[in-house]
Amino acid sequence: DAKTTQPTSMDCAEGRAANLPCNHSTISGNEYVYWYRQIHSQGPQYIIHGLKNNETNEMASLIITEDRKSSTLILPHATLRDTAVYYCIVRVHRAAGNKLTFGGGTRVLVKP
Amino acid sequence: DAGVIQSPRHEVTEMGQEVTLRCKPISGHNSLFWYRQTMMRGLELLIYFNNNVPIDDSGMPEDRFSAKMPNASFSTLKIQPSEPRDSAVYFCASSLLGQGADTQYFGPGTRLTVL
Repeated sequence: DAKTTQPTSMDCAEGRAANLPCNHSTISGNEYVYWYRQIHSQGPQYIIHGLKNNETNEMASLIITEDRKSSTLILPHATLRDTAVYYCIVRVHRAAGNKLTFGGGTRVLVKP
Repeated sequence: DAGVIQSPRHEVTEMGQEVTLRCKPISGHNSLFWYRQTMMRGLELLIYFNNNVPIDDSGMPEDRFSAKMPNASFSTLKIQPSEPRDSAVYFCASSLLGQGADTQYFGPGTRLTVL
């Protein structure tokens, strides 16, 4: 699976959009980009995933560059409850199961 | 939907004792994963099952760790004997393989402390 690079931490103002970057320059054509987050003392939570098109759901938007070497997770209106560690993961869909390899993630602090 | 259920939520034991962690995956899911999280090593996969069969156990640290999945609705992770370095939060996750990109859903975790 391709390696990802994320900033270690970032702050965001409550009510503003939070833009979380992720670099995955060695991504292969059949690898998806996934985002999970982990709120303190909880299990990781799925946010969104995409292959090459931009995606949006009720939690966030995912913007993938045309060359697919980087992506940005956008939390449109950050709240205090969005304070968490955000993980960008790139992986291939495999028929026999598909483990997640977590890196260090980005620690996001939403401030009032 | 109850989500992934893990028990116990907290476990404190003494070195040398046997510890059994339990997981009930989401009904209908066919893949189950056990992860461990520590400050030093972050989140790491220990083992995963597909249709109750262990597929990859390369993350299991040593023979003291064993995992079973006797049926589609139950799995256990056993540590015998336990050591202080096994102290960590253990997460179970499940997914439905074959549906799109098989998103994993995590349980609340079991916080294990070995004294």
